[in-house]
Amino acid sequence: AQTVTQSQPEMSVQEAETVTLSCTYDTSESDYYLFWYKQPPSRQMILVIRQEAYKQQNATENRFSVNFQKAAKSFSLKISDSQLGDAAMYFCAYSKKGAQKLVFGQGTRLTINP
Amino acid sequence: KAGVTQTPRYLIKTRGQQVTLSCSPISGHRSVSWYQQTPGQGLQFLFEYFSETQRNKGNFPGRFSGRQFSNSRSEMNVSTLELGDSALYLCASSLSWTGTNSPLHFGNGTRLTVT
Repeated sequence: AQTVTQSQPEMSVQEAETVTLSCTYDTSESDYYLFWYKQPPSRQMILVIRQEAYKQQNATENRFSVNFQKAAKSFSLKISDSQLGDAAMYFCAYSKKGAQKLVFGQGTRLTINP
Repeated sequence: KAGVTQTPRYLIKTRGQQVTLSCSPISGHRSVSWYQQTPGQGLQFLFEYFSETQRNKGNFPGRFSGRQFSNSRSEMNVSTLELGDSALYLCASSLSWTGTNSPLHFGNGTRLTVT
């Protein structure tokens, strides 16, 4: 069974600084997708970034980028120029290619200090 | 375009009762998934529906059931409620079942409290 592990229950960063959230996963599949979702107090899960496993190039979305290490099964999220609105729970998630089911990590609560 | 709509936003039920939660997907989305979120177990997959057919089911007891209608709206039902069913129930929709180019769009969830 696939598993996703986020080893940092909480992280904090100063506004405008850079922070990296860690995620490791376990799968026997060769083709899959990895995601980072953000859940603010409004409770709605918002997709931050997505990585396709067969793509070597790390995904980027504005201030958000990932470091995808397929052999190490590691998928970290880097947030540059942190903003107060980035404060939220961040979840790393995995899905097998061709399937909608997401397997989530336990989440990392990110606090932004002004 | 309206997002995923879940109703009601909050529910309080008593042990032994049953409950029905509703989810309206984004217009044009045909796939709907449900997740349970609790502090202890985190986010766990419940079911996935596409074109009124259940495509995948998580590891939950038979008290948890769902269905999808021809307009893609979905409902989930929990019978004989237990205290441990207290959770945030999230619904997500996407354009297609394959998921290859269709990210999930989540609703704001229904907070169920069982007393």
